[in-house]
Amino acid sequence: EVQLVESGGGLVQPGGSLKVSCAASGFTFSGSAIHWVRQASGKGLEWVGRIRSKPNNYATAYAASVKGRFTISRDDSKNTAYLQMNNLKTEDTAVYYCSSSYTTTWYAAFDIWGLGTMVTVSS
Amino acid sequence: DIQMTQSPSTLSASVGDRVTITCRASQSISSWLAWYQQKPGKAPKLLIYKASSLESGVPSRFSGSGSGTEFTLTITSLQPDDSATYYCQQYNGYSNSFGQGTKLEIK
Repeated sequence: EVQLVESGGGLVQPGGSLKVSCAASGFTFSGSAIHWVRQASGKGLEWVGRIRSKPNNYATAYAASVKGRFTISRDDSKNTAYLQMNNLKTEDTAVYYCSSSYTTTWYAAFDIWGLGTMVTVSS
Repeated sequence: DIQMTQSPSTLSASVGDRVTITCRASQSISSWLAWYQQKPGKAPKLLIYKASSLESGVPSRFSGSGSGTEFTLTITSLQPDDSATYYCQQYNGYSNSFGQGTKLEIK
């Protein structure tokens, strides 16, 4: 069964850090880019960033709202991707989804999604 | 960054109707445009990719068209289960971005 399972969400104080994980199974994880998408309660989807595969040098890109604070990494030996979030702000409160594609091409829509993990930034 | 603008923000229609949602990109994205359906408390579901290609398992009532900066999602013969929020997304290589969403209510 194809799966992405996020974990590690929780409550963190403003200015704090949190690392969430995305464990994959059932598809060629190592060949696919992994994206993080977030959604604040009652709001729309916001692309957070992505990491490409090893043949693409694990290249990363980030939304302007998180650049310099968030870092995406991956461990292909564990079929797991990570989102390290530093200097968290209250506006980072959201459900964080990881997503990917069966397609290993450069341009790919997101046909695989996790269920999401909730991150709450509050004092 | 490429901005995606959807219209309308909300839409109300009856079972059996045909509806169209529009998405406009701030610059050309060729055909690198996807449409997603999201229901409350669930992850988004891919409906259309590359502007007009129907994802496997998605009913043929859903169709997409457009290229460059103007795109549309059309749903024909609306069903009660189509009640959801729909998002467009550009995936033009370096970064991605979503439209603000269109909430579709079935009367």
